[in-house]
Formats: sequence, C-alpha cells, structure tokens
Amino acid sequence: NAGVMQNPRHLVRRRGQEARLRCSPMKGHSHVYWYRQLPEEGLKFMVYLQKENIIDESGMPKERFSAEFPKEGPSILRIQQVVRGDSAAYFCASSLGQGNTEAFFGQGTRLTVV
Amino acid sequence: RKEVEQDPGPFNVPEGATVAFNCTYSNSASQSFFWYRQDCRKEPKLLMSVYSSGNEDGRFTAQLNRASQYISLLIRDSKLSDSATYLCVVANTGGFKTIFGAGTRLFVKA
Repeated sequence: NAGVMQNPRHLVRRRGQEARLRCSPMKGHSHVYWYRQLPEEGLKFMVYLQKENIIDESGMPKERFSAEFPKEGPSILRIQQVVRGDSAAYFCASSLGQGNTEAFFGQGTRLTVV
Repeated sequence: RKEVEQDPGPFNVPEGATVAFNCTYSNSASQSFFWYRQDCRKEPKLLMSVYSSGNEDGRFTAQLNRASQYISLLIRDSKLSDSATYLCVVANTGGFKTIFGAGTRLFVKA
C-alpha cells in the first residue's frame, strides 16, 4: 500500500507563473489536508477536502490559491501568479476518518519562486 | 489564543536526560490527540497517539489532561537520534480539522 504521494518533490517557478502541486492520498483515504511550512516555522493548515468537496479552507489565502480533490485523480493545490513569499514546503496529508484518526503525510513539495 | 500552543524551545539536553514537552489546546470539544515527529526538511510522522488513560511506548510517555486541556510528552534516556521537532496535534471531529502545533525543537547532545 503506497503512502501519500506528492509531486513534484521540487518545483521552481518564476514570479508570475502558476504552480500546480499534486497529492495522491493513501489507498482508501478520502480526506486530504494541505499544509504550508515556511523555513524554520511550523505547519500551517491551509485546506481540508473530501472527494469533490472543500470542507474547510479557512487557512487558504483569499487570492491566487485554490484547491480541488476531484472524484478521479489526485488533489491539486494551485497557486496562480506566484510571488517570492510563496516559497515554502507544501505538505499533503490524508486520513481515513473525519479528523479522529491519524494523518499520514507525503514527502512534500518544495516550491521555490525566483 | 492559538488553537494549539507549544513551547517552541529549543530544548538542549545531554544524552540520557529526561525531557518533557507540554501542549495546550483551546477547543474543549477536541476528540483526538497525537504527537508527531518531524526531522529537518522531512515530512511529519506519527510518534504516538494520546489517550485519556495515558500511554507509553518504550522511552516515550504521553498523557492527556482534558480538564486543563493539555497534553504532554515525556522522553526518558534521551538519544542523539531523538533530536527533531515534536508536533502536538489535535483533531476535532466536529470541525473536521486536524490542527498542528508549531512544534518544539529538541537537540540532544553527546
């Protein structure tokens, strides 16, 4: 049973470009979380999704950021018109239950905006 | 007040020392509690779940105090390999959200 798969592991974008980060949850998991981690800081919750639904996006910046988890395929975190401040590690986690079970993490995508 | 608060540390301890971390949470309806460990530039990994009765796994002991809304992690006989950031995690079934604390850094030195 493969773990949570994130790709790409490293992504370099120029300012103004779009970044697309993908996350395939563990088999059987329908709950996906995205977190951002700036250098030397803790994990910041961004969004919680179930298949085809955004449950909680209270941690998402109001502009340029969007997330989806379609019926088929991976969850996508999309950042439009990236700026240098978007440079961070983005971690995806999945869980089996509704928050009362442990979350398993992917290895993260390290986004660098140049 | 943050939903989950931890002392950021760092804690610098010698090998063999006992070290304790505390974490407080604000939502009294929180249901599940975990400690995760994160090594530098790696993904967080589950260290242990925390139960009301307390639980122990080798050198690690976790406890939950619902009345005071805090959880703790005790590490005995610290090893160099214990050096990492320890994340307190609180899951709220009502809010369907898992909240991670900012983490406590531990450095164990020879």
